[in-house]
Amino acid sequence: KNEVEQSPQNLTAQEGEFITINCSYSVGISALHWLQQHPGGGIVSLFMLSSGKKKHGRLIATINIQEKHSSLHITASHPRDSAVYICAVRSSGGSNYKLTFGKGTLLTVNP
Amino acid sequence: GAVVSQHPSRVICKSGTSVKIECRSLDFQATTMFWYRQFPKQSLMLMATSNEGSKATYEQGVEKDKFLINHASLTLSTLTVTSAHPEDSSFYICSAEGGYTEAFFGQGTRLTVV
Repeated sequence: KNEVEQSPQNLTAQEGEFITINCSYSVGISALHWLQQHPGGGIVSLFMLSSGKKKHGRLIATINIQEKHSSLHITASHPRDSAVYICAVRSSGGSNYKLTFGKGTLLTVNP
Repeated sequence: GAVVSQHPSRVICKSGTSVKIECRSLDFQATTMFWYRQFPKQSLMLMATSNEGSKATYEQGVEKDKFLINHASLTLSTLTVTSAHPEDSSFYICSAEGGYTEAFFGQGTRLTVV
Protein backbone atom coordinates (compact mmCIF):
# COMPACT_ATOMS: atom_id res chain seq x y z
CA LYS A 1 0.00 0.00 0.00
CA ASN A 2 1.38 3.40 -0.96
CA GLU A 3 2.04 5.86 1.83
CA VAL A 4 0.16 8.51 -0.16
CA GLU A 5 -3.08 7.67 -1.93
CA GLN A 6 -4.91 10.07 -4.20
CA SER A 7 -8.42 9.89 -5.58
CA PRO A 8 -9.72 10.00 -8.14
CA GLN A 9 -6.96 9.02 -10.59
CA ASN A 10 -8.76 10.73 -13.43
CA LEU A 11 -11.36 13.45 -13.32
CA THR A 12 -13.26 15.09 -16.16
CA ALA A 13 -15.36 18.16 -15.49
CA GLN A 14 -17.26 20.83 -17.36
CA GLU A 15 -16.10 24.40 -17.15
CA GLY A 16 -17.51 26.08 -14.07
CA GLU A 17 -17.84 22.93 -11.97
CA PHE A 18 -16.53 22.62 -8.42
CA ILE A 19 -13.66 20.13 -8.25
CA THR A 20 -12.41 18.09 -5.28
CA ILE A 21 -9.28 15.96 -5.26
CA ASN A 22 -8.52 13.87 -2.19
CA CYS A 23 -5.28 12.72 -0.60
CA SER A 24 -4.87 10.24 2.24
CA TYR A 25 -1.59 9.32 3.86
CA SER A 26 -0.50 6.75 6.38
CA VAL A 27 2.54 8.29 8.08
CA GLY A 28 3.07 11.13 10.50
CA ILE A 29 3.90 14.25 8.56
CA SER A 30 5.38 17.66 9.13
CA ALA A 31 3.85 19.12 5.97
CA LEU A 32 1.74 18.25 2.96
CA HIS A 33 2.22 19.77 -0.48
CA TRP A 34 -0.16 20.13 -3.38
CA LEU A 35 1.61 20.40 -6.73
CA GLN A 36 0.40 21.06 -10.27
CA GLN A 37 2.09 19.53 -13.31
CA HIS A 38 1.14 20.76 -16.75
CA PRO A 39 1.57 18.67 -19.93
CA GLY A 40 4.93 20.32 -20.60
CA GLY A 41 6.20 18.74 -17.41
CA GLY A 42 7.08 21.66 -15.19
CA ILE A 43 5.80 21.47 -11.63
CA VAL A 44 4.33 24.36 -9.69
CA SER A 45 3.93 24.26 -5.94
CA LEU A 46 0.36 25.28 -5.10
CA PHE A 47 0.21 24.89 -1.34
CA MET A 48 2.19 23.71 1.63
CA LEU A 49 0.02 22.81 4.62
CA SER A 50 0.65 21.63 8.11
CA SER A 51 -2.80 22.38 9.51
CA GLY A 52 -6.13 23.97 8.69
CA LYS A 53 -6.94 25.55 5.39
CA LYS A 54 -5.32 27.76 2.78
CA LYS A 55 -6.86 29.66 -0.12
CA HIS A 56 -5.27 31.15 -3.20
CA GLY A 57 -7.61 32.53 -5.81
CA ARG A 58 -9.96 29.74 -6.89
CA LEU A 59 -7.91 27.08 -5.14
CA ILE A 60 -8.56 25.89 -1.59
CA ALA A 61 -6.57 23.27 0.29
CA THR A 62 -7.56 21.71 3.58
CA ILE A 63 -5.91 19.20 5.84
CA ASN A 64 -7.16 17.11 8.76
CA ILE A 65 -4.12 15.89 10.65
CA GLN A 66 -6.07 13.53 12.91
CA GLU A 67 -7.70 11.81 9.94
CA LYS A 68 -4.53 11.98 7.80
CA HIS A 69 -6.47 13.47 4.93
CA SER A 70 -6.24 16.50 2.70
CA SER A 71 -8.41 17.88 -0.06
CA LEU A 72 -7.74 20.27 -2.91
CA HIS A 73 -10.76 22.17 -4.19
CA ILE A 74 -11.04 24.20 -7.37
CA THR A 75 -13.99 26.55 -7.62
CA ALA A 76 -15.39 27.68 -10.98
CA SER A 77 -13.07 25.34 -12.87
CA HIS A 78 -11.62 26.45 -16.19
CA PRO A 79 -9.98 24.54 -19.07
CA ARG A 80 -6.64 26.08 -18.08
CA ASP A 81 -6.90 24.15 -14.79
CA SER A 82 -6.41 20.95 -16.79
CA ALA A 83 -3.26 19.35 -15.39
CA VAL A 84 -2.02 16.61 -13.12
CA TYR A 85 -2.40 17.45 -9.44
CA ILE A 86 0.01 15.73 -7.10
CA CYS A 87 -0.14 15.37 -3.34
CA ALA A 88 3.19 14.96 -1.56
CA VAL A 89 3.97 14.56 2.13
CA ARG A 90 7.07 15.18 4.17
CA SER A 91 7.48 12.70 7.00
CA SER A 92 7.89 14.03 10.50
CA GLY A 93 10.73 13.04 12.78
CA GLY A 94 14.33 12.22 12.11
CA SER A 95 16.44 13.84 9.47
CA ASN A 96 14.51 12.39 6.58
CA TYR A 97 12.98 15.34 4.80
CA LYS A 98 12.31 13.64 1.51
CA LEU A 99 8.92 14.08 -0.09
CA THR A 100 6.71 11.06 -0.76
CA PHE A 101 4.43 11.57 -3.75
CA GLY A 102 0.99 10.34 -4.64
CA LYS A 103 0.45 9.06 -8.17
CA GLY A 104 -1.40 12.18 -9.20
CA THR A 105 -4.87 13.04 -10.40
CA LEU A 106 -5.32 13.91 -14.06
CA LEU A 107 -7.90 16.68 -14.29
CA THR A 108 -9.48 17.58 -17.62
CA VAL A 109 -11.83 20.54 -17.72
CA ASN A 110 -13.86 20.79 -20.89
CA PRO A 111 -15.20 24.10 -22.18
CA GLY B 1 7.40 32.47 -5.15
CA ALA B 2 10.97 31.38 -5.48
CA VAL B 3 12.29 30.43 -8.89
CA VAL B 4 14.25 27.36 -9.81
CA SER B 5 15.68 27.31 -13.32
CA GLN B 6 16.52 24.01 -14.96
CA HIS B 7 18.45 23.82 -18.21
CA PRO B 8 18.18 22.48 -20.84
CA SER B 9 14.48 21.80 -21.17
CA ARG B 10 15.02 19.28 -23.94
CA VAL B 11 18.10 17.43 -25.09
CA ILE B 12 18.72 14.74 -27.67
CA CYS B 13 22.04 12.96 -27.51
CA LYS B 14 23.74 9.99 -29.09
CA SER B 15 24.14 6.77 -27.20
CA GLY B 16 27.44 6.70 -25.33
CA THR B 17 27.73 10.43 -24.80
CA SER B 18 27.28 12.34 -21.55
CA VAL B 19 24.69 14.99 -20.82
CA LYS B 20 24.77 17.62 -18.10
CA ILE B 21 21.59 19.11 -16.63
CA GLU B 22 21.77 22.25 -14.50
CA CYS B 23 19.46 23.29 -11.70
CA ARG B 24 19.76 26.80 -10.32
CA SER B 25 17.93 28.53 -7.51
CA LEU B 26 17.63 32.11 -8.69
CA ASP B 27 16.55 34.03 -5.62
CA PHE B 28 17.33 31.91 -2.57
CA GLN B 29 20.06 29.71 -1.19
CA ALA B 30 19.23 26.07 -1.72
CA THR B 31 20.87 24.05 1.00
CA THR B 32 19.33 20.90 -0.42
CA MET B 33 18.46 19.91 -3.95
CA PHE B 34 16.63 16.80 -5.04
CA TRP B 35 16.82 15.08 -8.40
CA TYR B 36 13.85 13.10 -9.67
CA ARG B 37 13.11 10.96 -12.66
CA GLN B 38 9.63 10.59 -14.05
CA PHE B 39 8.44 7.86 -16.40
CA PRO B 40 5.34 8.44 -18.57
CA LYS B 41 2.14 8.54 -16.52
CA GLN B 42 4.10 7.80 -13.34
CA SER B 43 4.83 9.93 -10.34
CA LEU B 44 8.22 11.34 -9.49
CA MET B 45 10.91 8.91 -8.41
CA LEU B 46 13.62 10.35 -6.19
CA MET B 47 17.08 9.62 -7.53
CA ALA B 48 19.31 11.47 -5.11
CA THR B 49 19.52 14.19 -2.50
CA SER B 50 22.35 16.66 -2.68
CA ASN B 51 23.51 19.03 0.01
CA GLU B 52 25.83 21.88 -0.82
CA GLY B 53 29.45 20.97 -0.34
CA SER B 54 28.93 17.29 0.37
CA LYS B 55 28.47 14.09 -1.60
CA ALA B 56 25.02 13.29 -2.86
CA THR B 57 22.94 10.57 -1.23
CA TYR B 58 21.58 8.19 -3.82
CA GLU B 59 18.41 6.17 -3.54
CA GLN B 60 18.62 2.40 -3.70
CA GLY B 61 18.96 1.17 -7.26
CA VAL B 62 20.33 4.43 -8.67
CA GLU B 63 23.84 4.06 -10.09
CA LYS B 64 25.95 6.86 -8.68
CA ASP B 65 28.65 6.38 -11.31
CA LYS B 66 26.09 6.82 -14.06
CA PHE B 67 24.21 9.74 -12.58
CA LEU B 68 26.84 12.12 -11.28
CA ILE B 69 25.55 14.89 -9.04
CA ASN B 70 27.51 17.95 -8.05
CA HIS B 71 26.23 20.62 -5.68
CA ALA B 72 29.15 23.00 -5.65
CA SER B 73 27.33 26.11 -4.51
CA LEU B 74 24.16 27.13 -2.72
CA THR B 75 22.54 28.06 -6.01
CA LEU B 76 23.67 25.36 -8.43
CA SER B 77 23.41 21.60 -8.66
CA THR B 78 24.18 19.55 -11.75
CA LEU B 79 23.18 16.06 -12.84
CA THR B 80 25.40 14.41 -15.44
CA VAL B 81 24.12 11.32 -17.18
CA THR B 82 27.28 9.53 -18.23
CA SER B 83 27.53 7.16 -21.19
CA ALA B 84 23.85 7.61 -21.86
CA HIS B 85 21.82 4.77 -23.31
CA PRO B 86 18.30 4.74 -24.76
CA GLU B 87 16.93 3.36 -21.48
CA ASP B 88 18.09 6.57 -19.79
CA SER B 89 15.60 8.51 -21.89
CA SER B 90 13.21 10.08 -19.44
CA PHE B 91 12.01 13.29 -17.84
CA TYR B 92 14.37 14.57 -15.16
CA ILE B 93 13.33 17.28 -12.71
CA CYS B 94 15.04 18.97 -9.80
CA SER B 95 13.69 20.68 -6.73
CA ALA B 96 15.41 23.05 -4.38
CA GLU B 97 14.75 23.81 -0.74
CA GLY B 98 16.24 26.12 1.83
CA GLY B 99 15.45 23.85 4.77
CA TYR B 100 12.09 22.56 6.02
CA THR B 101 10.26 24.83 3.65
CA GLU B 102 8.22 24.83 0.52
CA ALA B 103 9.66 22.82 -2.35
CA PHE B 104 10.40 24.67 -5.59
CA PHE B 105 10.71 22.68 -8.77
CA GLY B 106 12.54 23.28 -12.00
CA GLN B 107 10.85 23.07 -15.39
CA GLY B 108 12.26 19.63 -16.05
CA THR B 109 14.49 18.21 -18.78
CA ARG B 110 13.26 15.80 -21.42
CA LEU B 111 16.23 13.59 -22.31
CA THR B 112 16.10 11.47 -25.44
CA VAL B 113 19.03 9.15 -26.16
CA VAL B 114 19.19 7.90 -29.73
